[in-house]
Amino acid sequence: DVKVTQSSRYLVKRTGEKVFLECVQDMDHENMFWYRQDPGLGLRLIYFSYDVKMKEKGDIPEGYSVSREKKERFSLILESASTNQTSMYLCASSFTRRGTEAFFGQGTRLTVV
Amino acid sequence: AQKVTQAQTEISVVEKEDVTLDCVYETRDTTYYLFWYKQPPSGELVFLIRRNSFDEQNEISGRYSWNFQKSTSSFNFTITASQVVDSAVYFCALSEAQNFGNEKLTFGTGTRLTIIP
Repeated sequence: DVKVTQSSRYLVKRTGEKVFLECVQDMDHENMFWYRQDPGLGLRLIYFSYDVKMKEKGDIPEGYSVSREKKERFSLILESASTNQTSMYLCASSFTRRGTEAFFGQGTRLTVV
Repeated sequence: AQKVTQAQTEISVVEKEDVTLDCVYETRDTTYYLFWYKQPPSGELVFLIRRNSFDEQNEISGRYSWNFQKSTSSFNFTITASQVVDSAVYFCALSEAQNFGNEKLTFGTGTRLTIIP
């Protein structure tokens, strides 16, 4: 079974903290993604990576950065957490092949207080 | 820019009723893929189906069926004889080709389906 594992299901952080969300996949996928899910807005792409040390901005990259030092691991970093970053964060991975489906982790619900 | 519209925010039906979830998309690509995902209460999105832009055949898988119509830019999803386990949020998504052969998905806002026992 394909596994995409996010390090935490729930996180509570304080405003201004630096926050790391970790994601690991075990299927040797080239592509990895970070999405944010908010009610009424669906899933919005924050960043994606198509190779180690490569990254591309998605639709809402402001306030976030990412790191991909190894193929299986993709980290999302909130440099200085703010309350408007309270959300559900979803990691996904896929092969580099047109039309291939993405596999998702279980999500991290982050609350910034 | 690509866009996916799921106009139905929430739907409730009584168990065993049929229900259709609507999806309308916009794209300039001539080659594209459409997807449906299910998000149960556990939170993990589960892939249901993929359709490419050259294949307009409808598809049936058990109680699930999908109707793809390029003429109306729609990719609708029907659940026949709904069950409580079908309760979830359903997302429609459209792929967009990127550089280096990879692609990213644009999602709709989702439809929350509740099946009432």
